[in-house]
Amino acid sequence: GEQVEQRPPHLSVREGDSAVITCTYTDPNSYYFFWYKQEPGASLQLLMKVFSSTEINEGQGFTVLLNKKDKRLSLNLTAAHPGDSAAYFCAVTGGSNAKLTFGKGTKLSVKS
Amino acid sequence: GGIITQTPKFLIGQEGQKLTLKCQQNFNHDTMYWYRQDSGKGLRLIYYSITENDLQKGDLSEGYDASREKKSSFSLTVTSAQKNEMAVFLCASSIGGGNAETLYFGSGTRLTVL
Repeated sequence: GEQVEQRPPHLSVREGDSAVITCTYTDPNSYYFFWYKQEPGASLQLLMKVFSSTEINEGQGFTVLLNKKDKRLSLNLTAAHPGDSAAYFCAVTGGSNAKLTFGKGTKLSVKS
Repeated sequence: GGIITQTPKFLIGQEGQKLTLKCQQNFNHDTMYWYRQDSGKGLRLIYYSITENDLQKGDLSEGYDASREKKSSFSLTVTSAQKNEMAVFLCASSIGGGNAETLYFGSGTRLTVL
């Protein structure tokens, strides 16, 4: 079945720096991709949902890139601020078994 | 907007004990899910339900039972708690059960087994 590898598990950056979190997946037929954000003590909230036809997806303060050839999904925070400190999870679905598969998460810490 | 309420927030049990976790949603969503979140392991699906009285096993269903007696509620039972087990159980819901659905999560129940 689908395997999703998320890197890095921990990331610490200074305020204003960029931060990049990457997920690689195995099923070439996957076609929906999600990023969820989980602030400390809070529930997971959807950050962005991406369909496979769109390679570059802009959000507020971040960009999600999808490289279907390399089966890689990345979340790029352009100028991180302390409010971005959270755990981030990618999730992938579609493909052969159509189940949502989550990455193991990245704990981002942004220091001021 | 809606909300997903999980009770209790913290649950302490004894080895071998049967423990029940509850989840309520007021989104009027059809599909509800139970995930287990372990540190460093991401989210793993235990059970899901696409409508009242429906149950579907996820990847991690062994050792658990679930019940969807009403559209708005979905409960999970740990049939026999394992010693030193620690995990967060997350309930979620979505409008339907399709691949493109956004999941809405509760804040979790943190389980500790002594």
